[in-house]
Amino acid sequence: DGGITQSPKYLFRKEGQNVTLSCEQNLNHDAMYWYRQDPGQGLRLIYYSQIVNDFQKGDIAEGYSVSREKKESFPLTVTSAQKNPTAFYLCASRVSGYNTGELFFGEGSRLTVL
Amino acid sequence: AQTVTQSQPEMSVQEAETVTLSCTYDTSENNYYLFWYKQPPSRQMILVIRQEAYKQQNATENRFSVNFQKAAKSFSLKISDSQLGDTAMYFCAFMANNNDMRFGAGTRLTVKP
Repeated sequence: DGGITQSPKYLFRKEGQNVTLSCEQNLNHDAMYWYRQDPGQGLRLIYYSQIVNDFQKGDIAEGYSVSREKKESFPLTVTSAQKNPTAFYLCASRVSGYNTGELFFGEGSRLTVL
Repeated sequence: AQTVTQSQPEMSVQEAETVTLSCTYDTSENNYYLFWYKQPPSRQMILVIRQEAYKQQNATENRFSVNFQKAAKSFSLKISDSQLGDTAMYFCAFMANNNDMRFGAGTRLTVKP
């Protein structure tokens, strides 16, 4: 079945460690997104990519990095520079271009810093 | 930059009743899309309904309908005949032609039996 797969579902990290969250899609979508979700703040955009080898910063990119080497994959690295990384992270994708715009979401990854 | 505001952090409704969730947004764009997403306790985001700004007719999907007021930059969601399965977080979202989608802070809706 087509969809978006995020892994791991739960992740624990010690302070000072980098961690990478995986996001893979088989929907043949060009655009991919990473959002952070905190209680009471909705979804905030971290990074997005509209095409392979290109990506743009969102509102809260500091302390995060991404790559887009393949159309299907858009991994997010949470670096030690991120001051408060404990959160729920959502990956999404859509067909690129100005169309109906619907985002398809993965099931999310819960990161906890110990 | 576009912003999306949901002024109701929490709402509740009796089963079978009707409830309206509010959303306002700010943009200088003329062409854009608006969405309502539902996030149940499983945390899987599900599209409820979408509205194209160039369409004057309000979108409807079964028990879900919107009241889109472009001049007022308002986009409310009406849920009719509320069901227990409608209990979830509801997010209003906006996307213009720069392709980044912005979300409001969400409204937690509880449907009571």
